[in-house]
Amino acid sequence: QQPVQSPQAVILREGEDAVINCSSSKALYSVHWYRQKHGEAPVFLMILLKGGEQKGHDKISASFNEKKQQSSLYLTASQLSYSGTYFCGTLPGYSSASKIIFGSGTRLSIRP
Amino acid sequence: DAGITQSPRHKVTETGTPVTLRCHQTENHRYMYWYRQDPGHGLRLIHYSYGVKDTDKGEVSDGYSVSRSKTEDFLLTLESATSSQTSVYFCAISDELANTGELFFGEGSRLTVL
Repeated sequence: QQPVQSPQAVILREGEDAVINCSSSKALYSVHWYRQKHGEAPVFLMILLKGGEQKGHDKISASFNEKKQQSSLYLTASQLSYSGTYFCGTLPGYSSASKIIFGSGTRLSIRP
Repeated sequence: DAGITQSPRHKVTETGTPVTLRCHQTENHRYMYWYRQDPGHGLRLIHYSYGVKDTDKGEVSDGYSVSRSKTEDFLLTLESATSSQTSVYFCAISDELANTGELFFGEGSRLTVL
């Protein structure tokens, strides 16, 4: 079943912070975050595993609450380059195949 | 960049005609995937492959078939295209040895069924 993302869209000014949420009705083994710029392919941001630590690189980080089956992506001091659509994806159990089920996406627009 | 190429990149066809999309990788990865992307639905898994001649269904496999006769090639076939199959199709690969679960996507194939 597809995870639910919120909000569906957000508009920020450069330098502002944003949080994108992802929730699932099923128990999760891992949560994956991708960003897609208009007209391009999705690009991997990070993976969070059950029992793992909060991840992050640069000013983008994420958390994974296993009990609530939720993950949040945090974008701090947003830059113009952060614009795009963010997708969370989930795997209910361990698998060597990345049969990721994606949410419908959150469109992030950054204004100067 | 991961070596994934999709062909054709754009195709317009008519309802009822067969269509085959090709995904070619140069990374020698075991796993390959076909996703479709539609507004409001995100990316939905159609089929995936875990080796030569080994394939399995994803979320939205009805109306699609796949084949993998070589490690590097994964074909997606629409036997009789319908307008509901108008979409952008992405091929992806993953490296089972890297243990990150990361998907590397191709540039996409835009299919329009009239």
